Amino acid sequence: DSGVTQTPKHLITATGQRVTLRCSPRSGDLSVYWYQQSLDQGLQFLIQYYNGEERAKGNILERFSAQQFPDLHSELNLSSLELGDSALYFCASSPVFQGPRSYTFGSGTRLTVV
Amino acid sequence: AQKITQTQPGMFVQEKEAVTLDCTYDTSDPSYGLFWYKQPSSGEMIFLIYQGSYDQQNATEGRYSLNFQKARKSANLVISASQLGDSAMYFCAMREGGGGTSYGKLTFGQGTILTVHP
Repeated sequence: DSGVTQTPKHLITATGQRVTLRCSPRSGDLSVYWYQQSLDQGLQFLIQYYNGEERAKGNILERFSAQQFPDLHSELNLSSLELGDSALYFCASSPVFQGPRSYTFGSGTRLTVV
Repeated sequence: AQKITQTQPGMFVQEKEAVTLDCTYDTSDPSYGLFWYKQPSSGEMIFLIYQGSYDQQNATEGRYSLNFQKARKSANLVISASQLGDSAMYFCAMREGGGGTSYGKLTFGQGTILTVHP
């Protein structure tokens, strides 16, 4: 167990629907990062939150949004889903960076859009 | 331009032999770090090894070593004495910047699938 918990592990939904992916960071970690891994785009950084505030944005679609709550868990909301949104979504967490081992990935949520 | 390039989509190696997985990077930031991750078929991301841009010596972690050639902007992963369990996807990644709370975003290469034959 890496200490980063992602739920659900698997999600199957239809096009046009909306889903929420949840991430609980490792205890004490203030930063949460979201990544998308798809067959055509590879592993891409989506967005980072630090202690509740957005800090960095990557290739995140307008249909996607995220937030980090006061208890530091984070949610990634995906709406108007398309077939191409099918991917493995990773959350990672870290404290203010203290070295590579402080950067921890969750086991991912596999989203299938049908 | 690609920031991280892994030119080998797939590699094959015989069990107990060494294999090198290539990674080149592009950055103008003097402070950066290079990571290698292993992703088995189960999907999780497993940290293998890290090299900081100011590190004087090549990183080593057990059977993993990183051949860091700064002038050539390459950070190749060397796996010695390959094992069947090493069969997986391997990603090279880079983080840029020297600190601060936006520190930590990783840029990944496309990955190399390594297959170890018995």
